Amino acid sequence: NAGVTQTPKFRILKIGQSMTLQCAQDMNHNYMYWYRQDPGMGLKLIYYSVGAGITDKGEVPNGYNVSRSTTEDFPLRLELAAPSQTSVYFCASSYPRQGRDYGYTFGSGTRLTVV
Amino acid sequence: GENVEQHPSTLSVQEGDSAVIKCTYSDSASNYFPWYKQELGKRPQLIIDIRSNVGEKKDQRIAVTLNKTAKHFSLHITETQPEDSAVYFCAATSYSGGGADGLTFGKGTHLIIQP
Repeated sequence: NAGVTQTPKFRILKIGQSMTLQCAQDMNHNYMYWYRQDPGMGLKLIYYSVGAGITDKGEVPNGYNVSRSTTEDFPLRLELAAPSQTSVYFCASSYPRQGRDYGYTFGSGTRLTVV
Repeated sequence: GENVEQHPSTLSVQEGDSAVIKCTYSDSASNYFPWYKQELGKRPQLIIDIRSNVGEKKDQRIAVTLNKTAKHFSLHITETQPEDSAVYFCAATSYSGGGADGLTFGKGTHLIIQP
């Protein structure tokens, strides 16, 4: 049981390049989330998904896209990378049901630098 | 949408003393309030949470209190130890019937335990 796995751990992109951040969970969680964390700041929600085939925008979705073709995987796509997207990206999952633990399980993060 | 304010941004206490971190939220529909601890370069880890039908919850040296009327909740750490040094985040969301829009996080409190 690996929990939430994110790849890569580190990446440097040039302005205008694109990349996909991978996130996979093996806990059969139906909810998955992408957050970004800028230095000295809290986490801001980019996109989330409540199940396969369903995605919704969070607080800061511009410049990103997601898909959820399976319960396990929730990749985040950056198109035309900009310096403002330099951040640490965290994927998380949860399984909120009545009477159960609502807490998130976070991945280890991807540190992205756009130069 | 929800807005979570967290204070103070930095808190320095002597080892063995107590630490209190406070958060306020804006959305009266929010009913789930977790606290996360993040060590440098690591992922956030859930340390305690509280639901709106409870006023206080305790787990060993850590406690959380919730005042729904005033829309604020606090984290209390007693008998602080060096390993308590980290950044602490509060968060809020509304869970209803299994639905969730994602957690809204405060900006974090850097807790420093002085030996």
